[in-house]
Amino acid sequence: EIVLTQSPATLSLSPGERATLSCRASQSISSDLAWYQQKPGQAPRLLFYDASNRATGIPARFSGSGSGTDFTLTISSLEPEDFAVYYCQQRSNWPLTFGGGTKVEI
Amino acid sequence: QVQLVESGGGLVKPGGSLRLSCAASGFSFSDTYMSWIRQAPGKGLEWVSLISSSGSYTNYADSVKGRFTVSRDNAKTSVYLQIHNLRAEDTAVYYCARDPHISGLVTNWFDPWGQGTLVTVSS
Repeated sequence: EIVLTQSPATLSLSPGERATLSCRASQSISSDLAWYQQKPGQAPRLLFYDASNRATGIPARFSGSGSGTDFTLTISSLEPEDFAVYYCQQRSNWPLTFGGGTKVEI
Repeated sequence: QVQLVESGGGLVKPGGSLRLSCAASGFSFSDTYMSWIRQAPGKGLEWVSLISSSGSYTNYADSVKGRFTVSRDNAKTSVYLQIHNLRAEDTAVYYCARDPHISGLVTNWFDPWGQGTLVTVSS
């Protein structure tokens, strides 16, 4: 099973600041990585797939990068609605697995 | 628009059974792979099961293999998760999610997700 390790567990920032979230895979997964955002009481929402392809309706302040074992989700300037938990997910090997999440808080 | 609505959750005793349903609308359901993903209270996400568009292929997480069965009814545009021999560690919100089939291909990504149904296993 591919283990995805997200860091940091919690990121404390202010609106307008830049957020950099990391996801590291236990083995190479090429670009087979997605990012999701989950707000309290809501279902997760797809942000990026294939590591860097922005899903429909996702603002340009979000960007995804990386390949192999190291991936990054960047929010260039935090808006109040961006404070949430972010998860990465790999599809390279079965079972499909998620990282433990990074909470972006004020 | 695409909509996924889960139902069937509730309070069940250990060892009990439950059938979850996910009603889909707004897209070509019979051409779409579907998955179940769960989230224990205050915890992260765990993929549980996947079913192909025809229902001929299924896959499960090791933690549920042999106890969970995924199925679908394309005429009713619904997917189901039959759960047997429930354990305390199965307590979670269960989400159904669609494979977005980007460029017409199976992706094993999840978009969108339903709002989930809560399963609580307790005596």
